[in-house]
Amino acid sequence: DAKTTQPNSMESNEEEPVHLPCNHSTISGTDYIHWYRQLPSQGPEYVIHGLTSNVNNRMASLAIAEDRKSSTLILHRATLRDAAVYYCIRRFGNEKLTFGTGTRLTIIP
Amino acid sequence: GAGVSQSPSNKVTEKGKDVELRCDPISGHTALYWYRQSLGQGLEFLIYFQGNSAPDKSGLPSDRFSAERTGGSVSTLTIQRTQQEDSAVYLCASSPDSHGTDTQYFGPGTRLTVL
Repeated sequence: DAKTTQPNSMESNEEEPVHLPCNHSTISGTDYIHWYRQLPSQGPEYVIHGLTSNVNNRMASLAIAEDRKSSTLILHRATLRDAAVYYCIRRFGNEKLTFGTGTRLTIIP
Repeated sequence: GAGVSQSPSNKVTEKGKDVELRCDPISGHTALYWYRQSLGQGLEFLIYFQGNSAPDKSGLPSDRFSAERTGGSVSTLTIQRTQQEDSAVYLCASSPDSHGTDTQYFGPGTRLTVL
């Protein structure tokens, strides 16, 4: 049970921002929100994680709702190399990652 | 620095044979995880090692699956009497496992095909 809900697929135009939503309505106060992505024929790759505050790194931004029941991964300027399956994961501490089916992001040139 | 490495990258075996898959984690990482991914599916947790603690084996699908981690570093996943449904990509990940929550770093995986 992944305990998160994501759209199965999304499309975006190249060089435009992408907002990938995730619902985690039953999240507990100590669960972190992690995002990983998996490019074709590769292992998953860490993108970003957060607890309560919005987070930014070189890859993306993570916007977390005030009630923490949802979050949005933001790719500020999508490139063709961002085409991947994006996984939103609730995680307590360092427990195993429970992957759902993720969102398959297609970038249109 | 070197990332997580796995070997072999591909393995084809006959039904009923035993296979061993190897994972070399990032040096100094105390936590090691095995997952598998069947074609077109998400990742499925198999087993988790943390330091000298007893491993979390809750994800192993049957007693044909076992894993060891020697000296807190290299890990071997063994599948005995392989079945066709064992065909999948087997992924290993490691993390520093400090306090809080850590990034997991994944290897490239071993693609296992059982004929």
